[in-house]
Amino acid sequence: EVQLVESGGGLIQPGGSLRLSCAASGFTVISNYMSWVRQAPGKGLEWVSIIYSGGSTYYADSVEGRFTISRDNSENSLYLQMNSLRDEDTAVYYCAKDTPLAEVPTGRGSYYYFYAMDVWGQGTAVTVSS
Amino acid sequence: DIQMTQSPSSLSASVGDRVTITCRASQSIYTYLNWYQQKPGKAPKLLIYAASSLQSGVPSRFSGSGSGTDFTLTISSLQSEDFATYFCQQSFTTRTFGQGTKLEIK
Repeated sequence: EVQLVESGGGLIQPGGSLRLSCAASGFTVISNYMSWVRQAPGKGLEWVSIIYSGGSTYYADSVEGRFTISRDNSENSLYLQMNSLRDEDTAVYYCAKDTPLAEVPTGRGSYYYFYAMDVWGQGTAVTVSS
Repeated sequence: DIQMTQSPSSLSASVGDRVTITCRASQSIYTYLNWYQQKPGKAPKLLIYAASSLQSGVPSRFSGSGSGTDFTLTISSLQSEDFATYFCQQSFTTRTFGQGTKLEIK
């Protein structure tokens, strides 16, 4: 069964650091695109970061320079290192498997891939407060 | 960055109603558009990918359409379990979510 389980959340003071983990089973993390998405209390979903199978990483402007996404093949896990935490980082953090569910030939020997987050963890809550 | 705008932000409807939610992108995203359903306290669930493809296991009363900048999610006949919040999300460049549409019982 394909599954994601997050851990590492908790209460942290502003300016502090926290590392979230996302343990995967049923598939290999390094072979897939993986995203972190967060949801502040009573708010909508906010994409935070993505790591591509090739290792490229991208971040939302709100966390650029403070958060780092990474992965470990031996642990088959995804991580989010969060530094310089702010009150506005308070949220439930989800990891998600970003899967190419459709492909369309480009006509030039390659494909356009359509990605969607089809597997999600249960989320881990981060509270930034003094 | 691509911005995604959903409308309406909230919607009241009855069981059996046909409901449409719209999502507009700030630039063309072709059909790189996904829809998710989220219930309170739960992780989001993928409904539609690539604008109009139904995710495995999702009831056929859900459908998606659109391309370029304008997209719609339609629920043909609302069931009680469909009352939830719906989000669109683009995957053309990195990722962006719409602000959500809360579907409530009238």
